[in-house]
Amino acid sequence: EDQVTQSPEALRLQEGESSSLNCSYTVSGLRGLFWYRQDPGKGPEFLFTLYSAGEEKEKERLKATLTKKESFLHITAPKPEDSATYLCAVLTGGSYIPTFGRGTSLIVHP
Amino acid sequence: KAGVTQTPRYLIKTRGQQVTLSCSPISGHRSVSWYQQTPGQGLQFLFEYFSETQRNKGNFPGRFSGRQFSNSRSEMNVSTLELGDSALYLCASSLTQGTDTQYFGPGTRLTVL
Repeated sequence: EDQVTQSPEALRLQEGESSSLNCSYTVSGLRGLFWYRQDPGKGPEFLFTLYSAGEEKEKERLKATLTKKESFLHITAPKPEDSATYLCAVLTGGSYIPTFGRGTSLIVHP
Repeated sequence: KAGVTQTPRYLIKTRGQQVTLSCSPISGHRSVSWYQQTPGQGLQFLFEYFSETQRNKGNFPGRFSGRQFSNSRSEMNVSTLELGDSALYLCASSLTQGTDTQYFGPGTRLTVL
């Protein structure tokens, strides 16, 4: 059974304090790994899709990387507006249904 | 390009009633998936529709059903509501079945009293 584990569950940072969120997975035949940002009471907002180990993608203060067993979402010099829950999901070869992790709740204090 | 839209945004029902939620995908997207999100269970997949046919189904009781119309718009129905059905119901669209990126709507917050 495909499993996706995100850590930490919650993270508090000071503005400007860089850190990383982790998404580890045990799946067979990874077809894609997705990162989403979700604000309270809203739908997840798409951030990145990664397809193969070694791939990296960047957007503003966010950078996502992928290895064969995990993905990291690096946040550089975060701002309070980066506060949100970050969700990771994987899509595997035999399924059309992405498996979501439980998310990391990030709070950035000014 | 307009994003995924869901109506209504908020809904309050009582136990035993039924409810219908609506989702309009991004223009050109033909696959629509539905999810239930609760604090305790996270995001759980309900079902996926593509070309007006249900292609995949999650582990939910038969009280949860859906359909897709020829314009790719989708509806989800929950009959005989239970307190535990209170959740944020999310719709996501993608270009075609099994393609990678899903784009989510704002959700419908359902409260069952």
